[in-house]
Amino acid sequence: DTEVTQTPKHLVMGMTNKKSLKCEQHMGHRAMYWYKQKAKKPPELMFVYSYEKLSINESVPSRFSPECPNSSLLNLHLHALQPEDSALYLCASSQDLDYEQYFGPGTRLTVT
Amino acid sequence: QKEVEQNSGPLSVPEGAIASLNCTYSDRGSQSFFWYRQYSGKSPELIMSIYSNGDKEDGRFTAQLNKASQYVSLLIRDSQPSDSATYLCAVNRFRTNAGKSTFGDGTTLTVKP
Repeated sequence: DTEVTQTPKHLVMGMTNKKSLKCEQHMGHRAMYWYKQKAKKPPELMFVYSYEKLSINESVPSRFSPECPNSSLLNLHLHALQPEDSALYLCASSQDLDYEQYFGPGTRLTVT
Repeated sequence: QKEVEQNSGPLSVPEGAIASLNCTYSDRGSQSFFWYRQYSGKSPELIMSIYSNGDKEDGRFTAQLNKASQYVSLLIRDSQPSDSATYLCAVNRFRTNAGKSTFGDGTTLTVKP
């Protein structure tokens, strides 16, 4: 089973809201990733967790806050977002760093 | 110069033909290479991974890696309309900046019936 699940599928939030995106995998993978993807652009790395520790933060604004509660779960907490943060947010996991990644279906986020 | 460059596209081939997608990279320390397929409005899906020089075949797909020339390619044989998608090349360095995949901008492939 190479499934990564993400919830919600769609999210509309105002600029003052707080919301969270969730990601789950049961493949025993030890690396998990958050990406942001705008239309007609490649995925843009935001955060990487390895063995539940934050390994990479690509200078992401603090209004995005990642959390890895355990080896199967990854959250992305959102607060005071801007309209330009509207995008497809993708979660991925891999056996370990630098191995092939399996992407979830994504959360389509709209900030109004 | 971009770190990972792909055919500018779009690429159009007739059904049944071979589609050839190319990717060059600038970092000689790169060690792992991936091809992902992304349908419009969907998330990327892993097609192939390749770690050593040479060819790797999986069904109608063949990945070719040449580290000396710093290119990786994907061949799709007997192309089908369902192969119409954007193909993303991704490259990882290993160890240094471990976990960071550098993506190309993608090549959009259209297979015409």
